[in-house]
Amino acid sequence: EVQLLESGGGLVQPGGSLRLSCAPSGFDFNSYAMSWVRQAPGKGLEWVSTISASGYSTYYADSLKGRLTISRDKSKSTLYLQINSLRVEDTAVYFCAKHRSAVYDAFDVWGQGTMVTVSS
Amino acid sequence: DIQMTQSPSTLSASIGDRVTITCRASQNISTWLAWYQQKAGKAPKFLIYKASSLESAVPSRFSGSGSGTEFTLTITSLQPDDFATYYCQQYSTYSRTFGQGTKLEI
Repeated sequence: EVQLLESGGGLVQPGGSLRLSCAPSGFDFNSYAMSWVRQAPGKGLEWVSTISASGYSTYYADSLKGRLTISRDKSKSTLYLQINSLRVEDTAVYFCAKHRSAVYDAFDVWGQGTMVTVSS
Repeated sequence: DIQMTQSPSTLSASIGDRVTITCRASQNISTWLAWYQQKAGKAPKFLIYKASSLESAVPSRFSGSGSGTEFTLTITSLQPDDFATYYCQQYSTYSRTFGQGTKLEI
């Protein structure tokens, strides 16, 4: 079964940093582009970042650019999202998602999400 | 960024009804559109890609249509499991955007 399992969320103070992880199973992780999507409490879905299958191409939402780093470790088969200078408005559930294939494609598998709460 | 606007925001319907949700793009996205279903507290579920292609295992009562800037998701013969929030998403640009969601309620 194809699955994604996020981890790394938690409570962090404003200005802090967090690294989220996403562990895939059931498919060849190295063959697919991956993304992060977030959802603030009671709000809609917001795309955050995408990385190509090779890892050479990365893309970020303009509203978050400069504070994010998306990466993937082929040896560990893990996707990461580093978020710096966290703000209260970054409070959300962060989902990782697998693309059907390439960067310009829909998300066919989603993880269950990890909650990030930014508060003093 | 391309803006995606869904209507209505909330839709009330009954079991067995046929419903249609509309998604409009602020510029031409060809057929680079997906639909997702999300239930409260759960991850989104992938339904449709390329505007009208049904993901495997998704019931055939779901269908999508449209191209350019106007798209629809239609659900025929609503089942209890279909009451959820639905999102459209464009992926014609790397800065993919979602609609604000349509809550389908009984």
